[in-house]
Amino acid sequence: EPEVTQTPSHQVTQMGQEVILRCVPISNHLYFYWYRQILGQKVEFLVSFYNNEISEKSEIFDDQFSVERPDGSNFTLKIRSTKLEDSAMYFCASGQIYYNEQFFGPGTRLTVL
Amino acid sequence: EDQVTQSPEALRLQEGESSSLNCSYTVSGLRGLFWYRQDPGKGPEFLFTLYSAGEEKEKERLKATLTKKESFLHITAPKPEDSATYLCAVPHDYKLSFGAGTTVTVRA
Repeated sequence: EPEVTQTPSHQVTQMGQEVILRCVPISNHLYFYWYRQILGQKVEFLVSFYNNEISEKSEIFDDQFSVERPDGSNFTLKIRSTKLEDSAMYFCASGQIYYNEQFFGPGTRLTVL
Repeated sequence: EDQVTQSPEALRLQEGESSSLNCSYTVSGLRGLFWYRQDPGKGPEFLFTLYSAGEEKEKERLKATLTKKESFLHITAPKPEDSATYLCAVPHDYKLSFGAGTTVTVRA
């Protein structure tokens, strides 16, 4: 069964450093998403991406964040200068149609020290 | 503002003790409601999609139903392996809005 994969599973970084989180969405999906979940809180939307463009972004997704689909399979989230409050689980998701169900990856746990 | 509210926050059940979880939503032009299961430290796992009031979906011991303002997830004769956080979410504007979830603990 096809699934969304994410690497790394855990990333530890120093405050102010850049991190890139990687995702491989399900191959025939057209819509790609990043969400995050701070420990003990709800899953919150960051950004959606379709046809090589951002479709929607939240207030969290400021100039420190960027997304890219560098080739036909990968989808990345870059945080340019990490802050302590960026520590969270980051989930990639993909879907066939934007209002259909989304399938989530296992997540990357980002720890900013 | 569109909102998704789940209740209760936590539910402790004895094995075999059936119960229901609630998800209420305020979103205009509902295009579906999704239920997910999330285990600690893992990503949400898709369970069901419901599109219209009166619709029901079943999977093993789980049954999801939808009305015009809320959805219920019924757990029938739960087993310890059903212990997880159950999330509901609604799609709008190219994103999903999630509720805070109901954490279900089933004791043997």
